[in-house]
Amino acid sequence: GAVVSQHPSRVICKSGTSVKIECRSLDFQATTMFWYRQFPKKSLMLMATSNEGSKATYEQGVEKDKFLINHASLTLSTLTVTSAHPEDSSFYICSARRGASSYNEQFFGPGTRLTVL
Amino acid sequence: AQSVAQPEDQVNVAEGNPLTVKCTYSVSGNPYLFWYVQYPNRGLQFLLKYITGDNLVKGSYGFEAEFNKSQTSFHLKKPSALVSDSALYFCAVRDSGSARQLTFGSGTQLTVLP
Repeated sequence: GAVVSQHPSRVICKSGTSVKIECRSLDFQATTMFWYRQFPKKSLMLMATSNEGSKATYEQGVEKDKFLINHASLTLSTLTVTSAHPEDSSFYICSARRGASSYNEQFFGPGTRLTVL
Repeated sequence: AQSVAQPEDQVNVAEGNPLTVKCTYSVSGNPYLFWYVQYPNRGLQFLLKYITGDNLVKGSYGFEAEFNKSQTSFHLKKPSALVSDSALYFCAVRDSGSARQLTFGSGTQLTVLP
């Protein structure tokens, strides 16, 4: 159990367009989901924490208007990269925390490779 | 603020030899410690965690880690390395006080040579 999926796994888009990435917890409910960004051979950088039904909490330096996060249900969170630019190209990984307790374990999705031309 | 340090960017080991990937941490309360592995273009896979109890934690694929409170370390170990163990390994910590999100180390690329 505890599977997290991401869609799409890879996306290539033109500069200036918007891209939506979905993160789903397939067999559990996740009150809290996290979005990370990973540069090549680098660690995961937490971008934002989203709680179902409320606004996401963004980490310092992450543009809220550029990286729109929606956590509309207990099994789905979306990250929309608006007006994408080549520097937004990266590997985006979501994570879902099972249940409501902040002590519960996080499970990670397989990641989405975004390439902006 | 909590932090994690993985002092080695790269670890090379011969197949069949024991391996160690180092991790030290800093937290204000009791630590929740994790190891994850990442294969190329994939998400993170959970290996093991320490919450409380025995200092030696056994995890997936024959890996284990030893929690050392006095040295604030949580090194990952395996008695006999396999070529298929070659991957990127991340140590992570979650402070039991804030209990919010994981803080990751910078990662260590493990290469097991045949």
